[in-house]
Amino acid sequence: GQQLNQSPQSMFIQEGEDVSMNCTSSSIFNTWLWYKQDPGEGPVLLIALYKAGELTSNGRLTAQFGITRKDSFLNISASIPSDVGIYFCAGPTSGTYKYIFGTGTRLKVLA
Amino acid sequence: GAVVSQHPSRVICKSGTSVKIECRSLDFQATTMFWYRQFPKQSLMLMATSNEGSKATYEQGVEKDKFLINHASLTLSTLTVTSAHPEDSSFYICSATRETQYFGPGTRLLVL
Repeated sequence: GQQLNQSPQSMFIQEGEDVSMNCTSSSIFNTWLWYKQDPGEGPVLLIALYKAGELTSNGRLTAQFGITRKDSFLNISASIPSDVGIYFCAGPTSGTYKYIFGTGTRLKVLA
Repeated sequence: GAVVSQHPSRVICKSGTSVKIECRSLDFQATTMFWYRQFPKQSLMLMATSNEGSKATYEQGVEKDKFLINHASLTLSTLTVTSAHPEDSSFYICSATRETQYFGPGTRLLVL
């Protein structure tokens, strides 16, 4: 079945640093979504990507839909303490509205 | 817009009892809602798709008789965990679809 693998699994960075994480799949996706989950909360949508090659920003966040449709990248610039959380990529399984979620990247920011 | 609520936010129950969790889309109508389960330090796993006016569809390995889903209206879906056991303790999250999926804040279930 379709799987989404994220890397890195976790990262510790200093406040002010830029962060890059990625999500890869063994199969093609037509939509990529990036969510952030705070402890004890539901995921919150950060960025949605709908076209191969698309580059979209949301404040300090930038995400790209990989040209092969099998990967996506999320960058966070000038990280701040509230960026702490788990970042998930997600995409709809082929032909449905059902999402599968990536394995997650756990981000910790050191002040 | 696109706010989804869940109630309760956390619940503790005794083994063998049933627990109902509500998921509401507050400012939009959703013909489709989804229920996920998340164990500590793991990703979200889809349990079932809740369809307004019809039966829910369950993912492989999810017992439909144990996790009863009712999508009574375009803004409300309920998940009932029947005869709960300690292994059912988890974080249950719903989502409602409006172009994309918007998630509720989750319900933490602890079965003693």
